[in-house]
Amino acid sequence: AQTVTQSQPEMSVQEAETVTLSCTYDTSESDYYLFWYKQPPSRQMILVIRQEAYKQQNATENRFSVNFQKAAKSFSLKISDSQLGDAAMYFCAYRSPNTGNQFYFGTGTSLTVIP
Amino acid sequence: DSGVTQTPKHLITATGQRVTLRCSPRSGDLSVYWYQQSLDQGLQFLIQYYNGEERAKGNILERFSAQQFPDLHSELNLSSLELGDSALYFCASSVGGGVETQYFGPGTRLLVL
Repeated sequence: AQTVTQSQPEMSVQEAETVTLSCTYDTSESDYYLFWYKQPPSRQMILVIRQEAYKQQNATENRFSVNFQKAAKSFSLKISDSQLGDAAMYFCAYRSPNTGNQFYFGTGTSLTVIP
Repeated sequence: DSGVTQTPKHLITATGQRVTLRCSPRSGDLSVYWYQQSLDQGLQFLIQYYNGEERAKGNILERFSAQQFPDLHSELNLSSLELGDSALYFCASSVGGGVETQYFGPGTRLLVL
């Protein structure tokens, strides 16, 4: 089965600064999708950004961007100009139509934003 | 508010019992997904339905079952409950059956005593 690894259980960043959350995954597939989800204290799961493996260009969504390194199987999330509302648990996830469209999640990174 | 509703918000029951969790997707969404989030297992994908048919299956126990009804709402049935089934159960919905954006509900917190 595919595995998704988030090696940073906790991270902190100063408000207005930039932080990068790491994610690596293990797969033998070439066609797949990667996601970053945010889970604030309310426990609601919110999609932050997604990346299709066939796209070389890194996805961006306002202050959120990814560094997708397909050969290295790495998918890091960069948050620029961090805001207090960014404090949350962040999950990296993998999905492939070739593995029955199952989702595989990392263990999450808890991000604290320091005012 | 994602537009996905889940009932009940909280559920307390005893071991060996059976419960049903309900999910109503966003208007127009055909896919429903179920997830389990527990302290020891993390976030796990259970199952996906698309327009009434099972589309993808994850780590769903045999004691658990789900279905999606013609009006597209879905139910997750958990039976012979064990202490380890205590978790937050999320439902999510999306427009199609592929890898479109999923919108998550607020979850049902299940406590098995």
